[in-house]
Amino acid sequence: GAGVSQSPSNKVTEKGKDVELRCDPISGHTALYWYRQSLGQGLEFLIYFQGNSAPDKSGLPSDRFSAERTGGSVSTLTIQRTQQEDSAVYLCASSLGFTGPYEQYFGPGTRLTVT
Amino acid sequence: DAKTTQPPSMDCAEGRAANLPCNHSTISGNEYVYWYRQIHSQGPQYIIHGLKNNETNEMASLIITEDRKSSTLILPHATLRDTAVYYCIVRPREVYSTLTFGKGTMLLVSP
Repeated sequence: GAGVSQSPSNKVTEKGKDVELRCDPISGHTALYWYRQSLGQGLEFLIYFQGNSAPDKSGLPSDRFSAERTGGSVSTLTIQRTQQEDSAVYLCASSLGFTGPYEQYFGPGTRLTVT
Repeated sequence: DAKTTQPPSMDCAEGRAANLPCNHSTISGNEYVYWYRQIHSQGPQYIIHGLKNNETNEMASLIITEDRKSSTLILPHATLRDTAVYYCIVRPREVYSTLTFGKGTMLLVSP
């Protein structure tokens, strides 16, 4: 079946512009996660959704970052007034549930480059 | 706060078994051991997970020591496509928790 999809696959933007990254989780998966991976670094957790709710936003790097999820499905991660340090691969994952031994399935990521 | 320790890199000849070790000496009784891998320029891929018993699936086997302080991921017949960074992660079973990725082991499979 279809896996997690993300769009765009690549995004180049100028410093100061806003960007929106989209994630389509696997159908029926109630939990959705956003991570980012900077060049040569490990994965950094940003935020998760259980249904449409994001109980913990403490992983977001700054208040320029926000995320929403509608209809328990598609999620968008928005970065306002992008900075060069925002350049990274943004990864989305989904799982059947949040508590319990549910494996996460990752999308291919969106490579964001801020010039 | 790293909960797992893995060697930074390992080599393996194509067709041979790749045995990737992981130390998790502070693991709690309710924590699972998960393995993921990340092939270059792709998102991480789930491989296997276990609690106490050894586990096997179509991709790999997971051997967990009796005291649960370490585990080994076994790829029985490594191929060039198994070249990737392999992450060993411990995660609580029943409470809110996401995956915390460390630096992993870079496995290079050579012809």
